[in-house]
Amino acid sequence: KQEVTQIPAALSVPEGENLVLNCSFTDSAIYNLQWFRQDPGKGLTSLLLIQSSQREQTSGRLNASLDKSSGRSTLYIAASQPGDSATYLCAVRPSNTGKLIFGQGTTLQVKP
Amino acid sequence: NAGVTQTPKFQVLKTGQSMTLQCAQDMNHNSMYWYRQDPGMGLRLIYYSASEGTTDKGEVPNGYNVSRLNKREFSLRLESAAPSQTSVYFCASSEFQGTSPLHFGNGTRLTVT
Repeated sequence: KQEVTQIPAALSVPEGENLVLNCSFTDSAIYNLQWFRQDPGKGLTSLLLIQSSQREQTSGRLNASLDKSSGRSTLYIAASQPGDSATYLCAVRPSNTGKLIFGQGTTLQVKP
Repeated sequence: NAGVTQTPKFQVLKTGQSMTLQCAQDMNHNSMYWYRQDPGMGLRLIYYSASEGTTDKGEVPNGYNVSRLNKREFSLRLESAAPSQTSVYFCASSEFQGTSPLHFGNGTRLTVT
């Protein structure tokens, strides 16, 4: 059974710092992996989607990497800003199903 | 630029009452989903509809029913609410199941007393 883990559960950094959020999954047979952002009281916003054949995706200050063989993905945020404060979730789509399996998220606080 | 719209935003029910959560998307997406989000449990799929006219069970379907009314609308019904169904419910859509980014609504906060 596929399991998705995000460690740490919470992270606090000063503004301007570059940071990495981690996502690990137990079964390397995945179709794709998505990173989402969730603001308090809101739904999830899709940030990046990486297909299994890709190694990374970039959008602005965000860069997501995927290493299927080791069961890991990272979300790199450059030059963090207070507006980046939110919960970040990753989700994998196993190869044998269209359903996403979510991690429990990392709550990021960027202090001014 | 509405995206995915959920109604209501908040709801309080008594045990045994029924209600329907409404969801509509204006992006012409084929697939729609219902999730619940609980502290410590993360997001769990209740039901999904890969395309208009089809529905399938997710991880936690017991106590729920769904209707894909048309391509735009996907409703979730609680026939007899229980305190264990207290949660935040999210509707989501994607162009195609499993291959496209998910777009989420802002959620319905449901409390069952």
